[in-house]
Amino acid sequence: EAGVAQSPRYKIIEKRQSVAFWCNPISGHATLYWYQQILGQGPKLLIQFQNNGVVDDSQLPKDRFSAERLKGVDSTLKIQPAKLEDSAVYLCASRHSTGEQYFGPGTRLTVT
Amino acid sequence: AQSVTQLGSHVSVSEGALVLLRCNYSSSVPPYLFWYVQYPNQGLQLLLKYTSAATLVKGINGFEAEFKKSETSFHLTKPSAHMRDAAEYFCAVSDNYGQNFVFGPGTRLSVLP
Repeated sequence: EAGVAQSPRYKIIEKRQSVAFWCNPISGHATLYWYQQILGQGPKLLIQFQNNGVVDDSQLPKDRFSAERLKGVDSTLKIQPAKLEDSAVYLCASRHSTGEQYFGPGTRLTVT
Repeated sequence: AQSVTQLGSHVSVSEGALVLLRCNYSSSVPPYLFWYVQYPNQGLQLLLKYTSAATLVKGINGFEAEFKKSETSFHLTKPSAHMRDAAEYFCAVSDNYGQNFVFGPGTRLSVLP
C-alpha cells in the first residue's frame, strides 16, 4: 500500500512570496489533515478535511493560509504572503477508519 | 478539549537499558491514544495505539504502552534500548471519532553506547 505523498520536500522562499504544498493521501482515506511542525515542537493541526469538506480550520491563519481538497482526494496548502515565522515542516496525514493517522514525509519550508 | 503533556523534553538512556517515556492526557470523553516516532527529516510513524480494548498495548520495534485511566497516563516503555531507537517520540490523543487530534510536545530519546 502506497503511503502519503507530499511535494516538494524542501522549499526556500523570501518573505512576502507565496508557496504551495501538495499532498496525496492513502487511497480510500476520507479524512486528511495538514499540520505545521515548528522545530522542537509537536505538530499543530492547521486544517482537517472529511472528503472535500472542511471539518476543522480553527487554527488556520486564514488571512494568509488557504487549503483545498478538490474531489476529496489530493489537497493543496497555500501560504500567501509568507512570513518568517512560517518557517516549519508542513505535514500531511490521512486517517484510517480504525482511527490512526498516517503521515507523509513533510515539506520543510524556510522563509528568508 | 483534549490535551497532552510529556514529562521530559529529552531523555538519555544507555544501550540495553529500560526506556520509559511519559505521557499524561486530559480528555472529556473516552480517549484514543497514540505514540508516534519521528526520525530526522522524516514524517511521523505510528508505534502503537489504544482504542478502548486491552489496556496494555504492544507496538512495533518492541515498544509497549499501558493505559491507566486512574492516572490519565499512557507511558511508553521498551525493556532494552537500541541505538536505532534514538528519535523524537510524540504522544497524541483524540476522541473516538478521530476528532480533536492533539499531539504532545515530544520527547527526544538519545541512546548512549
